[in-house]
Amino acid sequence: DVKVTQSSRYLVKRTGEKVFLECVQDMDHENMFWYRQDPGLGLRLIYFSYDVKMKEKGDIPEGYSVSREKKERFSLILESASTNQTSMYLCASSLTIGELFFGEGSRLTVL
Amino acid sequence: KNEVEQSPQNLTAQEGEFITINCSYSVGISALHWLQQHPGGGIVSLFMLSSGKKKHGRLIATINIQEKHSSLHITASHPRDSAVYICAVVIGGNQFYFGTGTSLTVIP
Repeated sequence: DVKVTQSSRYLVKRTGEKVFLECVQDMDHENMFWYRQDPGLGLRLIYFSYDVKMKEKGDIPEGYSVSREKKERFSLILESASTNQTSMYLCASSLTIGELFFGEGSRLTVL
Repeated sequence: KNEVEQSPQNLTAQEGEFITINCSYSVGISALHWLQQHPGGGIVSLFMLSSGKKKHGRLIATINIQEKHSSLHITASHPRDSAVYICAVVIGGNQFYFGTGTSLTVIP
């Protein structure tokens, strides 16, 4: 069974803390994505990567960075968490023009 | 600017009813996806379409490339179909644009 696994389902962090969200896929997909999902706003792209060490900014990259050192792993980093980054974060992967597979999501609360 | 528009935003149906959710888009696409998200759950892919029609169980998805429109139909709806249904278009192979979703509630 194909899988996208996110490291944490629920996190609570304090303002200013550094936050790492990890995502691993076992399908050898070249494309990986980080989205945030907020009520009424739908899915918004933070960053995506189409190959190892390659990254592209999405619609809302401010306050976030990413790392893709290995094909199967795509990490999202919040250098200094803020309360407006409280959200559901979803990782996804796909082949080019392929089905999109999502992880279960990581619900982050920043206090 | 939203490349993908879904309607309706919210839909309540009685069990057994035939349901249609619509998706319109404004740009040329390489494919269109229909996704399902149950409350508190992850998102799963239902269909990927580039032309015509696909069927899986009680779900049917159609796309009209010329009119830039797709529909998702659910026949004989059931309370377990209650979820948010999201339309997503693919541009250039790996750029996804999402609708804001249709929240479906099926009442027994």
